[in-house]
Amino acid sequence: DQQVKQNSPSLSVQEGRISILNCDYTNSMFDYFLWYKKYPAEGPTFLISISSIKDKNEDGRFTVFLNKSAKHLSLHIVPSQPGDSAVYFCAAGSTLGRLYFGRGTQLTVWP
Amino acid sequence: NAGVTQTPKFRILKIGQSMTLQCTQDMNHNYMYWYRQDPGMGLKLIYYSVGAGITDKGEVPNGYNVSRSTTEDFPLRLELAAPSQTSVYFCASSYNQGLNTEAFFGQGTRLTVV
Repeated sequence: DQQVKQNSPSLSVQEGRISILNCDYTNSMFDYFLWYKKYPAEGPTFLISISSIKDKNEDGRFTVFLNKSAKHLSLHIVPSQPGDSAVYFCAAGSTLGRLYFGRGTQLTVWP
Repeated sequence: NAGVTQTPKFRILKIGQSMTLQCTQDMNHNYMYWYRQDPGMGLKLIYYSVGAGITDKGEVPNGYNVSRSTTEDFPLRLELAAPSQTSVYFCASSYNQGLNTEAFFGQGTRLTVV
């Protein structure tokens, strides 16, 4: 029973354009959400997070949007760069529990 | 600053063998976690610990054991290796749980059971 779903296993974007990675969740008790990035042969690294009381959080080229009513969040990368090519994991949790991860989306940014 | 260190990086086990995956962190984090990642799948929590002497099961604990005798170390034990345990294992740690509490991951251990 997947509580966090990333339905697109891969995304291919041209350099300079916007990358939009999507994530859906089922548990309305989740109150914070995170995105992690993972390069091959490395562990995931934290990218950006958002609290359930916000609908947007920005950090440089990365913006996360949260739509609580739709139980949906997205990560926007603008402009996309070749170094952004990696697997992106969406994760969700509540302050009382543990983190649940999605299956990941492989982003490829081509020149 | 080493962060989270896992050993070994790679291991091949025969069915029925046992082994311990080592994990140590030097950030004085209270929380430590073990995840496994199967091909095309997300990270699934095996066990976690909220402090020395305290451990709890995650989503997929069967076939594994853990201990947390110190803040720094959180080893994962496989007693009777099975092919279903072929996976990449990640150890992680965090200061706390909740927002703005990022988890730091090790580089992973790729385990193959034959």
